[in-house]
Amino acid sequence: QKEVEQDPGPLSVPEGAIVSLNCTYSNSAFQYFMWYRQYSRKGPELLMYTYSSGNKEDGRFTAQVDKSSKYISLFIRDSQPSDSATYLCALNPHNAGNMLTFGGGTRLMVKP
Amino acid sequence: DGGITQSPKYLFRKEGQNVTLSCEQNLNHDAMYWYRQDPGQGLRLIYYSQIVNDFQKGDIAEGYSVSREKKESFPLTVTSAQKNPTAFYLCASSTAWGTGELFFGEGSRLTVL
Repeated sequence: QKEVEQDPGPLSVPEGAIVSLNCTYSNSAFQYFMWYRQYSRKGPELLMYTYSSGNKEDGRFTAQVDKSSKYISLFIRDSQPSDSATYLCALNPHNAGNMLTFGGGTRLMVKP
Repeated sequence: DGGITQSPKYLFRKEGQNVTLSCEQNLNHDAMYWYRQDPGQGLRLIYYSQIVNDFQKGDIAEGYSVSREKKESFPLTVTSAQKNPTAFYLCASSTAWGTGELFFGEGSRLTVL
C-alpha cells in the first residue's frame, strides 16, 4: 500500500462545476498538507497548504484536512478551463524539513 | 526575475552514456532537491542538499550523482548505472523548513534511445 493514495483520473467536468480532489494517507505523523498544481510539461507550483486539521480558503480554492480519517481534499468552485492541470497532494511530517511525500496526482480537465 | 532554471528542457541519450542536468536558482535558498516524475507515481526524491558542499541520498539515489559546490547550483548526473533513466526530472529549492513550500523549475525530460 502506498503511503499516499490519489485517484489518477482523468476527471472531466464542465466549466463552472465544483470540483473535489482527494487524497488518503496512512502515516499519522503527517502534519503539513499541501496541494500543488502542475500544468502539462511544467514544474509543480504550490497552491494551498494547511497545518493539522481544518479548512483553509483562498479565492475559489478550499483545502480541507481530516486527520481522524487521514483524508485531505481540495475543492475548486466555479471551475475554469485554465484550472485544467494535474493536482498533486503532498504531505510532510512535523519537523522533517521539506521531505515531502507526494501523491501520484489527479489530472483534471475542465471543458468550456 | 527570481526562480529556478533547469536545462536542457529535452535531452536524448544513448544507452551507456552519462548525462548531466543543470539546475540554477537565484532565490537565495539554502536547500535544493532533485525529483524524478514518472506517470502515475508522483514525485520521488533522488538527492537533496541543505547546505553547500553537503548532500544526502533520497529514496531512489542509485544510478545518480550530484554536487553542491555553489549555493546557486545543484547539477544532477544520470549515470549509465541507472537502469531506467527515461523520465521527467524536476529540480526544486526551499528556504522554509517544515511547511513544504518547494519552488520547482520547469523540468528536464530525458529520453534514452
